[in-house]
Amino acid sequence: KNEVEQSPQNLTAQEGEFITINCSYSVGISALHWLQQHPGGGIVSLFMLSSGKKKHGRLIATINIQEKHSSLHITASHPRDSAVYICAAPLYGGSQGNLIFGKGTKLSVKP
Amino acid sequence: NAGVTQTPKFQVLKTGQSMTLQCAQDMNHEYMSWYRQDPGMGLRLIHYSVGAGITDQGEVPNGYNVSRSTTEDFPLRLLSAAPSQTSVYFCASSYGRSNSPLHFGNGTRLTVT
Repeated sequence: KNEVEQSPQNLTAQEGEFITINCSYSVGISALHWLQQHPGGGIVSLFMLSSGKKKHGRLIATINIQEKHSSLHITASHPRDSAVYICAAPLYGGSQGNLIFGKGTKLSVKP
Repeated sequence: NAGVTQTPKFQVLKTGQSMTLQCAQDMNHEYMSWYRQDPGMGLRLIHYSVGAGITDQGEVPNGYNVSRSTTEDFPLRLLSAAPSQTSVYFCASSYGRSNSPLHFGNGTRLTVT
C-alpha cells in the first residue's frame, strides 16, 4: 500500500517569503496531485504532474519519480496563499483513480 | 457549468438514522468518488466509480453504499448512521485519465449524535 508523507505539517511565513512544501511516497506512481484547501473548506486542484516541473503563476511543482518525491514552491508568498496544501498519489500505483492523500501542510502567511 | 454539486452542506443525524448525500457533475466525467476528511487523518477514499453501472470500494467503505445509474449522479448512502461517521464528506470527479485533474464538491459536514 502506498503511503504519502508531507512535511512540514504546519508552516508560518512572512509575506514575500519563498515557501517549500515536500511530499514523499512509497511506491511507484504515474502522476501526483497537489491540492489546495481554503479555510472555508473548498478543495481545488493545483497541479497534476508525472515528471519534471509545472508552473502556474507564483506556484511551482516539481517531481522526481525515481526518488519518489515532489515539492510545491510558492514564490513571493501572500496572505491569500494561507491554506492547507495536500498532495495525493494513486493508491496502488499507475491509475490516477484511487488516490491516497497526505495529511496536508497548513500554511499561514503573515502580512 | 456548475461543476460538482454536493448537497446538503450540513446534516445532523441521530444514531441509526439513514440518509443520502447527493453528488452531481455536469462535466461528463467518467470517474466519481467519495472521500471523508477527519482531523489528523487526511482525505480517505470511501467508494468510487469509473462509469455508469460500475462502482468499487475504496479504503474505508464499511457503513456506506453507492450506486451509479447515470454518468452525472453518484449518491452516497448511510444505511444506519453511527457516531464514527461524523466527518466532512467530499465528492470528486474527473475524466479518469492520468492527466485529468480532480474537481471537488464543496463538502458536507455530517454530525451523528
